[in-house]
Amino acid sequence: EPEVTQTPSHQVTQMGQEVILRCVPISNHLYFYWYRQILGQKVEFLVSFYNNEISEKSEIFDDQFSVERPDGSNFTLKIRSTKLEDSAMYFCASSAGTQAELANSPLHFGNGTRLTVT
Amino acid sequence: GQNIDQPTEMTATEGAIVQINCTYQTSGFNGLFWYQQHAGEAPTFLSYNVLDGLEEKGRFSSFLSRSKGYSYLLLKELQMKDSASYLCAFQDSNYQLIWGAGTKLIIKP
Repeated sequence: EPEVTQTPSHQVTQMGQEVILRCVPISNHLYFYWYRQILGQKVEFLVSFYNNEISEKSEIFDDQFSVERPDGSNFTLKIRSTKLEDSAMYFCASSAGTQAELANSPLHFGNGTRLTVT
Repeated sequence: GQNIDQPTEMTATEGAIVQINCTYQTSGFNGLFWYQQHAGEAPTFLSYNVLDGLEEKGRFSSFLSRSKGYSYLLLKELQMKDSASYLCAFQDSNYQLIWGAGTKLIIKP
């Protein structure tokens, strides 16, 4: 079964540094998402991406965050200047081969990148 | 506004049946999902309901009542590996997923 893959699985960085988290969504999916989950807390939506642009973003997704689809397969999340409170598990997800399928298409999650900011 | 609620934690015995409830309020609704999440891992899809009624999938079943804003996940013949958090999430009118905080299910032998 096709999978969403994320790299790295664990990233340790110092406060103020930039990090790029990488994701390869399922190849025929058109909708891409980033979520984060702080340890012991609920899954939080960051951003959704469709047709090479952001379709929705949450209040968490401020100017420090950006997403990019640099080629036909990768989908990246950049945090420009990390803060201690950015430490979390970051999940990439993809869904839906077509817009018509969006209503009935579950999100498929990658295994996540655990980001630790020291 | 939008709201979704599920119990924080439940305990059940191996081999038994457990029902995890989820209630929600929203003006736009495009279906409800249940996900399983083991500690430190990604959520994995379990079920999707958009029409009222029961959807059965092996040991797991999910029920939806749109008029009551209510869903439940029913797990039968519980196994130790079913110990996990169970997340309910509804899809709003923009197809955005609104997540519950998850129910941590503890299975005892």
